[in-house]
Amino acid sequence: TQLLEQSPQFLSIQEGENLTVYCNSSSVFSSLQWYRQEPGEGPVLLVTVVTGGEVKKLKRLTFQFGDARKDSSLHITAAQPGDTGLYLCFRASGTYKYIFGTGTRLKVLA
Amino acid sequence: KAGVTQTPRYLIKTRGQQVTLSCSPISGHRSVSWYQQTPGQGLQFLFEYFSETQRNKGNFPGRFSGRQFSNSRSEMNVSTLELGDSALYLCASSLDPTGLEAFFGQGTRLTVV
Repeated sequence: TQLLEQSPQFLSIQEGENLTVYCNSSSVFSSLQWYRQEPGEGPVLLVTVVTGGEVKKLKRLTFQFGDARKDSSLHITAAQPGDTGLYLCFRASGTYKYIFGTGTRLKVLA
Repeated sequence: KAGVTQTPRYLIKTRGQQVTLSCSPISGHRSVSWYQQTPGQGLQFLFEYFSETQRNKGNFPGRFSGRQFSNSRSEMNVSTLELGDSALYLCASSLDPTGLEAFFGQGTRLTVV
């Protein structure tokens, strides 16, 4: 099974702190998506990265795709309580697609 | 543009019964995939449909089945329900199987008692 390993698994931080979540695979991605999911809801798409070395910014969120396309990171600057949720990476295309990462549960305390 | 619609949102069934869940993809999207989410196993792929044909299937027993209609709407069926089938069932739509992006519905919360 081709897993997408995410780290850390859990993260509890104070409002205003920065954090980074990682998503790693043993195989190359053709594309990768990041989602945030709140309890009882479906995952909401944050970004899709396609090109090795690509960096995308979404307000305080910065997404990076590794040069070798085997890893990705999500960095949040000055976290806010509204950032609380389950962050998931997802391989939506290519070989071994339809695989979700193991998830990072983030809690931002006011 | 309407998003992915899943019905019903909540469902309570008894062990041994069967259940059918529905998913209407985004207009123009022809690929629908289904996932099961549980606290212990996370999100796991069930199957994918495109042009009314099942293209891929995850590692689930035959009690889990699905189909897709000509308008791309999809249903999944679970027969002989077990307590362990209690989960959030999510469907996602994409333009086609080669699409780079998938968009998810809010899910159907199934509770088996």
